[in-house]
Amino acid sequence: GAVVSQHPSWVICKSGTSVKIECRSLDFQATTMFWYRQFPKQSLMLMATSNEGSKATYEQGVEKDKFLINHASLTLSTLTVTSAHPEDSSFYICSVYLGLAGGGRYNEQFFGPGTRLTVL
Amino acid sequence: QQPVQSPQAVILREGEDAVINCSSSKALYSVHWYRQKHGEAPVFLMILLKGGEQKGHEKISASFNEKKQQSSLYLTASQLSYSGTYFCGTERGGIGGATNKLIFGTGTLLAVQP
Repeated sequence: GAVVSQHPSWVICKSGTSVKIECRSLDFQATTMFWYRQFPKQSLMLMATSNEGSKATYEQGVEKDKFLINHASLTLSTLTVTSAHPEDSSFYICSVYLGLAGGGRYNEQFFGPGTRLTVL
Repeated sequence: QQPVQSPQAVILREGEDAVINCSSSKALYSVHWYRQKHGEAPVFLMILLKGGEQKGHEKISASFNEKKQQSSLYLTASQLSYSGTYFCGTERGGIGGATNKLIFGTGTLLAVQP
């Protein structure tokens, strides 16, 4: 499987500031990554699909100008929460997609450890 | 639309069995099952593919009824380590095959007690 890291693991920021979260695929090149958000005691909600070298595809209801995604290389995708507010406090998780075409056993996603964002 | 899981929560004694259901309103290409411990990322358990193929965990089994757009996860002889929240991740079909996006279900909290 793929090894995925996220940085930072947690961050606390003031309202109105921007926060960047990194997602790295450590052992294979990922053309597709996904970003999820998870509020306490709730399910993972897909925010966007990050494609290397092209614009991200956002899910309905997710503000693309607020959640900026950059997938500049095959091993790194970043999510920037701009002008963060307390309601943006959440657990943000990325995943790397490894499909059959890429040598995976089957279409599978490997998740990073998550980043807990707290906006004061 | 988010798949609905049932039950929402279940408490078991070690060694007991449990079934977790996942129901979607959309046609599915595959169903993935994950277990998440508090504060951690989801861990892959198994995948069920359209057409009946199944791959994954040794001690946990699952079924996928494509017509009913439902999947069930079977946990037998539960262990303390099975505790956590279980999510189904549903993948819809698209032009040329799978869409590769996972839409996660509402979750089932499982607590296994000694």
